[in-house]
Amino acid sequence: EVQLVEAGGGSVHPGGSLRLSCAASGFVFRSSWMHWVRQVQGQGLVWVSTINTDETTTTYADSVEGRFTVSRDNVRDILFLQMDSLRAEDAAVYHCVRGTSDFGVYFENWGRGTLVTVSS
Amino acid sequence: HSALTQPRSVSGSPGQSVTISCTGTRSDIGNYVYVSWYQQHPGKVPKVIIFDVDKRPSGVPHRFSGSKSGNTASLTISGLQSDDEADYYCCSYAGGYITVFGGGTKLTVL
Repeated sequence: EVQLVEAGGGSVHPGGSLRLSCAASGFVFRSSWMHWVRQVQGQGLVWVSTINTDETTTTYADSVEGRFTVSRDNVRDILFLQMDSLRAEDAAVYHCVRGTSDFGVYFENWGRGTLVTVSS
Repeated sequence: HSALTQPRSVSGSPGQSVTISCTGTRSDIGNYVYVSWYQQHPGKVPKVIIFDVDKRPSGVPHRFSGSKSGNTASLTISGLQSDDEADYYCCSYAGGYITVFGGGTKLTVL
């Protein structure tokens, strides 16, 4: 069974940093493209970032480009999201997602998410 | 990359059909077959119900179907059931390993 378990969320002041992690199991992590998707409660899904299998390709939504960094550890099967210069509008539940099909383009397996709160 | 445009809400009675539209641009829906739809029940994580515009993952009922014309994708749910009441999101590849979601549509089964 595929499991994705996020951790690292919490409350931070504007301008602060957080590092999210996602522990993966039940599939061959090193062969899977991975994504981060965020969702404010009661609002829609927003794609945040994508990383390919060997970290040679990373992409970001315009709203987080230059502030967030995605990475992965294919030995420990963990996905990371380093979030710097956090803003109020970054507050959301962050989901770790396993992608499938061509370059992981479909969001097949979702973690339950970790909540990030940004407030002064 | 702007979000894809979906109606905020749709509704239908049990047994009826509803269609949810998703409008993008030539840079996303209009240029790729990588269009998918996700169903999200309250308090649950999203579930993919359509991929490659019109394909259903194993286990998704045939009542769910997808299509695309130009820059607009559509999800049709026939034979509405109470359990179909959920939020639905369209999603498209936009090139350069960028993905864009729609704003979501709340389906109410009357």
